[in-house]
Amino acid sequence: LAKTTQPISMDSYEGQEVNITCSHNNIATNDYITWYQQFPSQGPRFIIQGYKTKVTNEVASLFIPADRKSSTLSLPRVSLSDTAVYYCLVGVLSGAGSYQLTFGKGTKLSVIP
Amino acid sequence: NAGVTQTPKFRILKIGQSMTLQCTQDMNHNYMYWYRQDPGMGLKLIYYSVGAGITDKGEVPNGYNVSRSTTEDFPLRLELAAPSQTSVYFCASSPIPTRAGAKNIQYFGAGTRLSVL
Repeated sequence: LAKTTQPISMDSYEGQEVNITCSHNNIATNDYITWYQQFPSQGPRFIIQGYKTKVTNEVASLFIPADRKSSTLSLPRVSLSDTAVYYCLVGVLSGAGSYQLTFGKGTKLSVIP
Repeated sequence: NAGVTQTPKFRILKIGQSMTLQCTQDMNHNYMYWYRQDPGMGLKLIYYSVGAGITDKGEVPNGYNVSRSTTEDFPLRLELAAPSQTSVYFCASSPIPTRAGAKNIQYFGAGTRLSVL
């Protein structure tokens, strides 16, 4: 089962770009990398997912190097509403349908006015 | 537009009591999960299910039981509540991945906050 490592916390000023890196040295060849956002007293919410290179959607970008041992979530021009905990998640799906997922401790992002 | 619904939202139990946390989803997802989240920590997988009648243990299954008689419902049972089970419990669901290692986007409920005193 692949494990993940993220910084515990980060601070950023409004309007800046924030990059959160997750290490997953033991990622399997068929693992996707998924990022979630969690606000207090709410369940996590899907942000973005990728397998390799770069993925971009309306809220974030995800950069994955060729060796796939890490990934970086990029949030452009953060606002106060982006203050949340961000989780990197790597899952493994076996050929028999067995499915194991483990969330890391997450990165608490605090956006400062 | 309900998604994943968890009940109750809050509950206080005495040590040794039993209860069932309810989870239902209306997205016709085959995969369902139960997580617990302790204060300031990440989520730990308790049990999961890949379809009706099929369940399997996650990282922290001790003290819990699950059943999956329908696609929609995935209740979590605590038989003898202990203070160590004080936590926030999240249920989630996801569709069948289209290929091995494919998208595992999970949709979460709002959580059940449980205190065992």
